Amino acid sequence: GDSVTQMEGPVTLSEEAFLTINCTYTATGYPSLFWYVQYPGEGLQLLLKATKADDKGSNKGFEATYRKETTSFHLEKGSVQVSDSAVYFCALRPTNAGKSTFGDGTTLTVKP
Amino acid sequence: GAGVSQSPRYKVAKRGQDVALRCDPISGHVSLFWYQQALGQGPEFLTYFQNEAQLDKSGLPSDRFFAERPEGSVSTLKIQRTQQEDSAVYLCASSRDAETQYFGPGTRLLVL
Repeated sequence: GDSVTQMEGPVTLSEEAFLTINCTYTATGYPSLFWYVQYPGEGLQLLLKATKADDKGSNKGFEATYRKETTSFHLEKGSVQVSDSAVYFCALRPTNAGKSTFGDGTTLTVKP
Repeated sequence: GAGVSQSPRYKVAKRGQDVALRCDPISGHVSLFWYQQALGQGPEFLTYFQNEAQLDKSGLPSDRFFAERPEGSVSTLKIQRTQQEDSAVYLCASSRDAETQYFGPGTRLLVL
């Protein structure tokens, strides 16, 4: 079945550092790929998405590129801020299906 | 506008009790999803509705779990004869197109 593997956390960075959170997936066909973020005390929010190979999703300075050849969707940000401290979830949704499959989440802490 | 709301936000049940969890989706959203999130893990799919039709219930862990959406709007997830392993956060999400899902704050269920 479908699966999503995220790099294990927690990740601790200093403000303005470069962020990469790795995500790889296993799925049949061509799923849509997502990154969700959960800030402390809040619900899951969609951060960005990509629906086909080589698409780049971007939002709030975060980017991720859909790499079919490596089945990856790594999340990057050039300069993190304290306010980026949250739990980040990678997810996939198969074409023409409702259910999404999530990774286990990566906790990011950014220190001033 | 109003987002997805869930009630109650917290529920403590004694083992063997029945519980009912409510989800109010965003108005006009056709698709509605239920997920179960254990501590430290990503959300796990339970079931999916399109309007009042339950299109996928493959994630329901046992026949003690039952979900309904009789008028295509509000949904209720019912768990009969709760067990300790049912303790988790139950997330509801709604979507206009099954692609971008908007999550509620979740109901945290603790079974003693």
